Amino acid sequence: DIQMTQSPSSLSASVGDRVTITCRASQSISSYLNWYQQKPGKAPKLLIYSVFSLQSGVPSRFSGSGSGTDFTLTITSLQVEDFATYYCQQSSSNPWTFGQGTKVEIK
Amino acid sequence: EVQLVESGGGLVQPGGSLRLSCAASGFTLSDHYMDWVRQAPGKGLEWVGRSRNKANSYSTEYAASVQGRFTISRDDSKNSLYLQMNSLETDDTAVYYCTRLAVVAATRTYYFAYWGQGTLVTVSS
Repeated sequence: DIQMTQSPSSLSASVGDRVTITCRASQSISSYLNWYQQKPGKAPKLLIYSVFSLQSGVPSRFSGSGSGTDFTLTITSLQVEDFATYYCQQSSSNPWTFGQGTKVEIK
Repeated sequence: EVQLVESGGGLVQPGGSLRLSCAASGFTLSDHYMDWVRQAPGKGLEWVGRSRNKANSYSTEYAASVQGRFTISRDDSKNSLYLQMNSLETDDTAVYYCTRLAVVAATRTYYFAYWGQGTLVTVSS
């Protein structure tokens, strides 16, 4: 199975900060990398698919980059509604796997 | 509007069985791959299994952790997806999400586009 490792596991940031979350795959996954946001008690929500494609309705302050094994989710100018847990997920090979999550908390 | 509504969760003893349902609306179920994803309390997300669409003969596949114990089926006439869970173990305790996949045709990139609200399964004596 492909292992997905996110860093950091948690971070504290202030409104307006630029936040970067990294995701590393245990082997190359080309561009088969997606990002999800989950708020407490809610289902995950798709943010970005295929590394950098923004899901409809997702604010442009979210962006993704990377290829192969190393990927990044960036939030420019963090907003109150962005405090949540973020997961990367690979769809390169079965079984699809997720990172362990990065919790973004208010500083 | 795409909607997925899970039901059927609850408390079950180890070794018991439970069937989850997912009522789909806003799209034609037979056209789409449908997956189940679960999340143990306070933990991350784990893919459980997949039901491919009619064009792919509704074939299924499962995570190793549930292979042989869980079965995914669907009734397109009722716009419903099911997860039959047998021989349940305490490690199966989780919120189970029904998801609909989407695909970028040009690159064959799949992703979980839509999620239900989840249903909690608790396996405990």
